[in-house]
Amino acid sequence: QVQLQESGPGLVKPSETLSLTCTVSGGSINSYYWSWIRQPPGEGLEWIGYIYSSGSVNYNPSLKSRVTISVDTSKNQFSLRLSSVTTADTAVYYCARRDDTGYYSYWGQGTLVTVSS
Amino acid sequence: DIQLTQSPSFLSASVGDRVTITCRASQGIGSYLAWYQQNPGKAPKLLLYAASTLQSGVPSRFSGSGSGAEFTLTISSLQPEDFATYSCQQLSSYPLTFGGGTKVEIK
Repeated sequence: QVQLQESGPGLVKPSETLSLTCTVSGGSINSYYWSWIRQPPGEGLEWIGYIYSSGSVNYNPSLKSRVTISVDTSKNQFSLRLSSVTTADTAVYYCARRDDTGYYSYWGQGTLVTVSS
Repeated sequence: DIQLTQSPSFLSASVGDRVTITCRASQGIGSYLAWYQQNPGKAPKLLLYAASTLQSGVPSRFSGSGSGAEFTLTISSLQPEDFATYSCQQLSSYPLTFGGGTKVEIK
């Protein structure tokens, strides 16, 4: 069974860069689309973007200028970097994968990142 | 971007009630819609995909219908474990978007 686990700092200062890693276990990172999705406290979900195992990416235009998603197939990990963060970037960040139906059935448990000085 | 509007945003219901949640898209999305259930502090759980296909392991009291721009999620007989927040998601075009959520609480 594929499992995803987010890791990274829980507190980031304004104007700095948020960095998170998602470690995939129970299956290979190859040949799938790997996504980041976030949820501000008390709000709805927001799709950040995806990376395919080959390295091709697609970002939400609302975040595109600040987002980088990368993959390390040797470690079965993919990562998120979000630059110039503000308090509006405070959220639970999830990594997720679409299954063979094309829908998001695999999710990490989520990690809360707070942007505060 | 395709906007998804859920209604109601909050509903209060009793165990055994039939509950219907609506998701309206700002433009047609075919049947590229998913429904998720989310409990506090937990990741979303996929309930239905392709608007009406039940994800493996999801109880049959959950059902979905619709195509184009209007969709519904129905819980035929609400159970105690169903009190949660439900969200729709469109996968017709990028950026993928979600509805604002419907919180189902115990009356």
